[in-house]
Amino acid sequence: QKEVEQDPGPLSVPEGAIVSLNCTYSNSAFQYFMWYRQYSRKGPELLMYTYSSGNKEDGRFTAQVDKSSKYISLFIRDSQPSDSATYLCAMTGGSSASKIIFGSGTRLSIRP
Amino acid sequence: NAGVTQTPKFQVLKTGQSMTLQCAQDMNHNSMYWYRQDPGMGLRLIYYSASEGTTDKGEVPNGYNVSRLNKREFSLRLESAAPSQTSVYFCASSELTGYSNQPQHFGDGTRLSIL
Repeated sequence: QKEVEQDPGPLSVPEGAIVSLNCTYSNSAFQYFMWYRQYSRKGPELLMYTYSSGNKEDGRFTAQVDKSSKYISLFIRDSQPSDSATYLCAMTGGSSASKIIFGSGTRLSIRP
Repeated sequence: NAGVTQTPKFQVLKTGQSMTLQCAQDMNHNSMYWYRQDPGMGLRLIYYSASEGTTDKGEVPNGYNVSRLNKREFSLRLESAAPSQTSVYFCASSELTGYSNQPQHFGDGTRLSIL
Protein backbone atom coordinates (compact mmCIF):
# COMPACT_ATOMS: atom_id res chain seq x y z
CA GLN A 1 0.00 0.00 0.00
CA LYS A 2 1.30 3.45 -0.92
CA GLU A 3 1.84 5.91 1.92
CA VAL A 4 -0.11 8.56 0.01
CA GLU A 5 -3.07 7.82 -2.27
CA GLN A 6 -4.47 10.27 -4.79
CA ASP A 7 -7.15 9.76 -7.44
CA PRO A 8 -5.43 10.28 -10.82
CA GLY A 9 -8.53 11.65 -12.54
CA PRO A 10 -8.85 13.14 -15.04
CA LEU A 11 -11.34 15.53 -13.51
CA SER A 12 -13.18 17.90 -15.87
CA VAL A 13 -15.40 20.72 -14.58
CA PRO A 14 -16.94 23.87 -16.13
CA GLU A 15 -15.41 27.27 -15.55
CA GLY A 16 -16.60 28.85 -12.31
CA ALA A 17 -17.23 25.55 -10.52
CA ILE A 18 -15.81 24.65 -7.12
CA VAL A 19 -13.19 21.94 -7.40
CA SER A 20 -12.34 19.49 -4.64
CA LEU A 21 -9.10 17.51 -4.81
CA ASN A 22 -8.24 14.94 -2.16
CA CYS A 23 -5.53 12.68 -0.79
CA THR A 24 -5.48 10.02 1.89
CA TYR A 25 -2.42 8.83 3.76
CA SER A 26 -1.45 6.05 6.11
CA ASN A 27 1.42 7.49 8.19
CA SER A 28 0.02 9.22 11.29
CA ALA A 29 3.41 10.90 11.89
CA PHE A 30 2.96 13.23 8.90
CA GLN A 31 2.67 16.80 10.12
CA TYR A 32 3.41 19.02 7.13
CA PHE A 33 1.11 18.98 4.13
CA MET A 34 1.59 20.60 0.76
CA TRP A 35 -0.18 21.00 -2.56
CA TYR A 36 1.76 21.48 -5.77
CA ARG A 37 0.49 22.49 -9.21
CA GLN A 38 2.23 21.16 -12.29
CA TYR A 39 1.58 22.52 -15.75
CA SER A 40 2.41 20.40 -18.77
CA ARG A 41 6.15 20.18 -19.42
CA LYS A 42 6.97 22.15 -16.28
CA GLY A 43 8.18 21.33 -12.79
CA PRO A 44 5.80 21.27 -9.81
CA GLU A 45 5.27 24.62 -8.08
CA LEU A 46 4.12 25.05 -4.49
CA LEU A 47 0.53 26.22 -4.01
CA MET A 48 -0.24 25.68 -0.34
CA TYR A 49 1.70 24.59 2.75
CA THR A 50 0.01 23.75 6.05
CA TYR A 51 1.07 22.36 9.38
CA SER A 52 -1.04 19.84 11.33
CA SER A 53 -4.85 19.96 11.16
CA GLY A 54 -7.12 22.81 10.11
CA ASN A 55 -7.79 25.07 7.17
CA LYS A 56 -5.65 27.55 5.29
CA GLU A 57 -6.94 29.97 2.70
CA ASP A 58 -5.05 31.81 -0.03
CA GLY A 59 -7.19 33.66 -2.54
CA ARG A 60 -9.35 31.14 -4.41
CA PHE A 61 -7.52 28.19 -2.82
CA THR A 62 -8.29 26.51 0.51
CA ALA A 63 -6.28 23.64 1.95
CA GLN A 64 -7.89 21.45 4.58
CA VAL A 65 -6.24 18.81 6.77
CA ASP A 66 -8.09 16.24 8.86
CA LYS A 67 -5.43 14.27 10.72
CA SER A 68 -7.98 12.12 12.55
CA SER A 69 -9.18 10.76 9.19
CA LYS A 70 -5.75 11.00 7.51
CA TYR A 71 -7.37 13.02 4.73
CA ILE A 72 -6.37 16.27 3.07
CA SER A 73 -8.23 18.38 0.54
CA LEU A 74 -7.63 21.31 -1.77
CA PHE A 75 -10.62 23.43 -2.80
CA ILE A 76 -10.51 25.79 -5.75
CA ARG A 77 -13.29 28.38 -5.93
CA ASP A 78 -14.39 30.15 -9.12
CA SER A 79 -12.21 27.81 -11.18
CA GLN A 80 -10.54 29.24 -14.29
CA PRO A 81 -9.17 27.57 -17.44
CA SER A 82 -5.72 28.62 -16.22
CA ASP A 83 -6.23 26.23 -13.27
CA SER A 84 -6.04 23.29 -15.69
CA ALA A 85 -3.01 21.33 -14.52
CA THR A 86 -1.99 18.29 -12.50
CA TYR A 87 -2.23 18.76 -8.74
CA LEU A 88 0.03 16.78 -6.43
CA CYS A 89 -0.36 16.45 -2.70
CA ALA A 90 2.76 15.96 -0.60
CA MET A 91 3.55 15.46 3.06
CA THR A 92 6.40 14.92 5.46
CA GLY A 93 7.18 14.36 9.14
CA GLY A 94 8.07 11.60 11.58
CA SER A 95 10.60 9.07 10.29
CA SER A 96 10.23 10.56 6.80
CA ALA A 97 11.20 14.00 8.06
CA SER A 98 14.08 14.36 5.66
CA LYS A 99 11.98 13.43 2.62
CA ILE A 100 8.71 14.60 1.19
CA ILE A 101 6.28 11.88 0.05
CA PHE A 102 4.23 12.79 -3.03
CA GLY A 103 0.89 11.57 -4.28
CA SER A 104 0.75 10.53 -7.92
CA GLY A 105 -1.25 13.61 -8.93
CA THR A 106 -4.77 14.44 -10.16
CA ARG A 107 -5.16 15.83 -13.67
CA LEU A 108 -7.69 18.70 -13.69
CA SER A 109 -9.29 20.32 -16.73
CA ILE A 110 -11.47 23.44 -16.51
CA ARG A 111 -13.81 23.79 -19.50
CA PRO A 112 -14.45 27.41 -20.68
CA ASN B 1 15.89 34.98 -10.03
CA ALA B 2 16.60 31.57 -11.61
CA GLY B 3 15.67 29.20 -8.72
CA VAL B 4 16.55 25.65 -9.80
CA THR B 5 18.19 25.23 -13.20
CA GLN B 6 18.50 21.87 -14.95
CA THR B 7 20.54 21.02 -18.01
CA PRO B 8 19.97 19.65 -20.56
CA LYS B 9 16.22 20.01 -21.11
CA PHE B 10 16.05 17.09 -23.57
CA GLN B 11 18.35 14.19 -24.34
CA VAL B 12 18.19 11.01 -26.39
CA LEU B 13 20.65 8.24 -25.58
CA LYS B 14 21.36 4.78 -26.87
CA THR B 15 21.31 1.82 -24.50
CA GLY B 16 24.64 1.54 -22.72
CA GLN B 17 25.64 5.18 -23.12
CA SER B 18 26.40 7.31 -20.09
CA MET B 19 25.48 10.86 -19.27
CA THR B 20 25.29 13.35 -16.41
CA LEU B 21 22.29 15.53 -15.64
CA GLN B 22 23.22 18.85 -14.09
CA CYS B 23 21.32 20.83 -11.46
CA ALA B 24 22.12 24.14 -9.79
CA GLN B 25 20.15 26.25 -7.30
CA ASP B 26 20.70 29.86 -6.31
CA MET B 27 18.55 29.95 -3.15
CA ASN B 28 21.30 28.89 -0.74
CA HIS B 29 19.31 25.77 0.17
CA ASN B 30 20.92 22.96 2.12
CA SER B 31 18.99 20.02 0.69
CA MET B 32 18.80 18.88 -2.91
CA TYR B 33 16.93 16.02 -4.54
CA TRP B 34 16.63 14.04 -7.76
CA TYR B 35 13.28 12.57 -8.77
CA ARG B 36 11.97 10.73 -11.76
CA GLN B 37 8.37 11.13 -12.92
CA ASP B 38 6.65 8.42 -14.92
CA PRO B 39 2.98 8.24 -15.98
CA GLY B 40 0.83 6.87 -13.14
CA MET B 41 3.81 6.59 -10.79
CA GLY B 42 4.08 10.16 -9.58
CA LEU B 43 7.38 11.53 -8.35
CA ARG B 44 9.82 8.90 -7.11
CA LEU B 45 12.92 9.92 -5.18
CA ILE B 46 16.18 8.64 -6.67
CA TYR B 47 18.79 10.26 -4.38
CA TYR B 48 18.92 13.19 -2.06
CA SER B 49 21.54 15.28 -0.33
CA ALA B 50 20.52 16.73 3.04
CA SER B 51 23.60 18.95 3.13
CA GLU B 52 26.82 19.59 1.28
CA GLY B 53 29.03 16.51 1.48
CA THR B 54 26.25 13.99 2.16
CA THR B 55 24.12 11.88 -0.16
CA ASP B 56 21.55 9.16 0.51
CA LYS B 57 19.55 6.71 -1.54
CA GLY B 58 15.89 7.29 -2.15
CA GLU B 59 13.22 4.93 -3.38
CA VAL B 60 14.71 4.02 -6.79
CA PRO B 61 18.53 4.47 -6.72
CA ASN B 62 19.60 1.49 -8.85
CA GLY B 63 21.42 2.48 -12.04
CA TYR B 64 22.19 6.01 -10.83
CA ASN B 65 24.97 7.84 -9.03
CA VAL B 66 25.04 11.37 -7.66
CA SER B 67 27.57 13.99 -6.71
CA ARG B 68 26.98 16.99 -4.48
CA LEU B 69 29.67 19.14 -6.00
CA ASN B 70 29.11 22.10 -3.66
CA LYS B 71 26.16 23.72 -1.94
CA ARG B 72 24.72 24.93 -5.26
CA GLU B 73 25.18 21.90 -7.52
CA PHE B 74 23.90 18.34 -7.45
CA SER B 75 24.46 16.08 -10.47
CA LEU B 76 22.88 12.76 -11.45
CA ARG B 77 24.82 10.24 -13.54
CA LEU B 78 23.58 7.31 -15.55
CA GLU B 79 26.61 5.04 -16.06
CA SER B 80 25.02 2.62 -18.55
CA ALA B 81 21.63 3.84 -19.70
CA ALA B 82 18.77 1.36 -20.04
CA PRO B 83 15.35 1.83 -21.73
CA SER B 84 13.70 1.55 -18.27
CA GLN B 85 15.39 4.83 -17.39
CA THR B 86 13.38 6.71 -19.99
CA SER B 87 11.61 9.32 -17.87
CA VAL B 88 11.37 12.96 -16.92
CA TYR B 89 13.94 13.84 -14.28
CA PHE B 90 13.39 16.66 -11.81
CA CYS B 91 15.85 18.29 -9.48
CA ALA B 92 14.56 20.06 -6.37
CA SER B 93 15.94 21.94 -3.39
CA SER B 94 14.71 22.94 0.05
CA GLU B 95 15.88 24.41 3.33
CA LEU B 96 16.08 21.69 5.97
CA THR B 97 15.00 23.02 9.36
CA GLY B 98 14.73 20.84 12.41
CA TYR B 99 12.62 17.75 11.84
CA SER B 100 10.69 19.06 8.89
CA ASN B 101 11.45 20.01 5.37
CA GLN B 102 10.39 23.28 3.95
CA PRO B 103 8.57 22.82 0.63
CA GLN B 104 10.67 21.92 -2.31
CA HIS B 105 11.44 24.12 -5.29
CA PHE B 106 11.66 22.29 -8.60
CA GLY B 107 13.44 22.79 -11.87
CA ASP B 108 11.58 22.33 -15.15
CA GLY B 109 12.93 18.85 -15.75
CA THR B 110 15.10 16.91 -18.17
CA ARG B 111 13.23 14.71 -20.64
CA LEU B 112 15.40 11.67 -21.25
CA SER B 113 14.75 8.94 -23.83
CA ILE B 114 16.82 5.78 -23.99
CA LEU B 115 16.60 3.88 -27.25
